[in-house]
Amino acid sequence: ETGVTQSPTHLIKTRGQQVTLRCSSQSGHNTVSWYQQALGQGPQFIFQYYREEENGRGNFPPRFSGLQFPNYSSELNVNALELDDSALYLCASSLGLLGPTDTQYFGPGTRLTVL
Amino acid sequence: GQNIDQPTEMTATEGAIVQINCTYQTSGFNGLFWYQQHAGEAPTFLSYNVLDGLEEKGRFSSFLSRSKGYSYLLLKELQMKDSASYLCAVRDSNYQLIWGAGTKLIIKP
Repeated sequence: ETGVTQSPTHLIKTRGQQVTLRCSSQSGHNTVSWYQQALGQGPQFIFQYYREEENGRGNFPPRFSGLQFPNYSSELNVNALELDDSALYLCASSLGLLGPTDTQYFGPGTRLTVL
Repeated sequence: GQNIDQPTEMTATEGAIVQINCTYQTSGFNGLFWYQQHAGEAPTFLSYNVLDGLEEKGRFSSFLSRSKGYSYLLLKELQMKDSASYLCAVRDSNYQLIWGAGTKLIIKP
């Protein structure tokens, strides 16, 4: 167990809707990263937050947004859902940004299906 | 662009040794990670290399050559539970993790 939890486990939405996915990091972990993983692919980096501020962003459109809260929880929001957004969404927390302390520990993921 | 290459699939026999290779081309380098991912589950951390050489951890070892942009994960005394995908990831100059597509390892009795 990594101590990272995500909710919900599974979610079904229709195209055009909005969704919020939640993650609870390990206590003391200041960094949270969100990934999208399509079937048979490696995770694709969406963005990262460090101490409640966005610290990096991958090649995802602005309709993917996030928040990190002081209590080590975070959210991923996706607006105007598209069929291609169907994937496993993973959050990962780490203690810091550099060196061995930036080893990321993943939550179990949220499986999003867009119909 | 940034690129991580791994074989798509490998097959090995229970009790044997297997080496999974990873080559990378990234903008900067701040460490290389190996993760194991069972089907339908989240990746779990296996190893971290930032300096050249071999890191050993039980049945698993990971090697890094920064000059060659190359790493491998060595699994010894294979067990059926080692059947999983193995993901190589490199942290680039922006401290973002760039991931390979993973190598699906199939263990046969």
